[in-house]
Amino acid sequence: DQQVKQNSPSLSVQEGRISILNCDYTNSMFDYFLWYKKYPAEGPTFLISISSIKDKNEDGRFTVFLNKSAKHLSLHIVPSQPGDSAVYFCAAGIQGAQKLVFGQGTRLTINP
Amino acid sequence: GAGVSQSPSNKVTEKGKDVELRCDPISGHTALYWYRQSLGQGLEFLIYFQGNSAPDKSGLPSDRFSAERTGGSVSTLTIQRTQQEDSAVYLCASSLIVRQTYEQYFGPGTRLTVT
Repeated sequence: DQQVKQNSPSLSVQEGRISILNCDYTNSMFDYFLWYKKYPAEGPTFLISISSIKDKNEDGRFTVFLNKSAKHLSLHIVPSQPGDSAVYFCAAGIQGAQKLVFGQGTRLTINP
Repeated sequence: GAGVSQSPSNKVTEKGKDVELRCDPISGHTALYWYRQSLGQGLEFLIYFQGNSAPDKSGLPSDRFSAERTGGSVSTLTIQRTQQEDSAVYLCASSLIVRQTYEQYFGPGTRLTVT
C-alpha cells in the first residue's frame, strides 16, 4: 500500500526553466509534508516543508503547493540550476507521530 | 556542528551472517530513526526511538531485524541471518522534537550487499 506516490521516476529540464515535481498521497490523516533532495552517496537533505493549514510555502527558488482536496502536492524550482540535479523525495507525516512516509523519488536532471 | 554519521559506509556479507550497522545522531537530538532504501524504491521506515519511550518497531520487516539505542545517543541496527533481499542502503536520521518542526537530518547511509 503506497501511501505516498511520485509517479514520475525522472524529469529533465533546461537550465533557467521551471522544474515541477509532483507527489500524490492517499492518507487524509497526513497533515504535514516535506521535500528532501538526495545526491548520490549522500543522505537526503531537507529542502522545504508545508503544513496542511497552508496551501503554499516559499523559500527562495523553491515553492511547495498543497492541494488537500486532490491530495496532491508539488515542488516548483525556478529558475532551475545545474546543481539542482538530484533525486527528490516527498514525504508525509501525521503531527505527533513523527515517522515519515516517503515517495519513491523523482530524478531531476537540469540540462545546460 | 557534526551531522549524523553512520558506519560502515559499505558492508558486503555472505548470506546467513549477522551484521551490525551503527548510527551516531546529532548531539542533542532526542529522536532517532532507521530507514532503508532498496534499489529503485523510496525510503522505507524501520524503527523510531524517542527519548526513554518504547521504540516504534512497526516498520521492521521481520524478527531478524532489531535495533537498540544506548544512553539515548548511539544506535545499532542488527540484522541476523542476512538474506539477499536485505541488500539496500540503510539510512539513519535524527531530529529534535519541537512543535511544528518535523525535519529529520539524515546520515550518508550504509550500503549493505548480501551475496
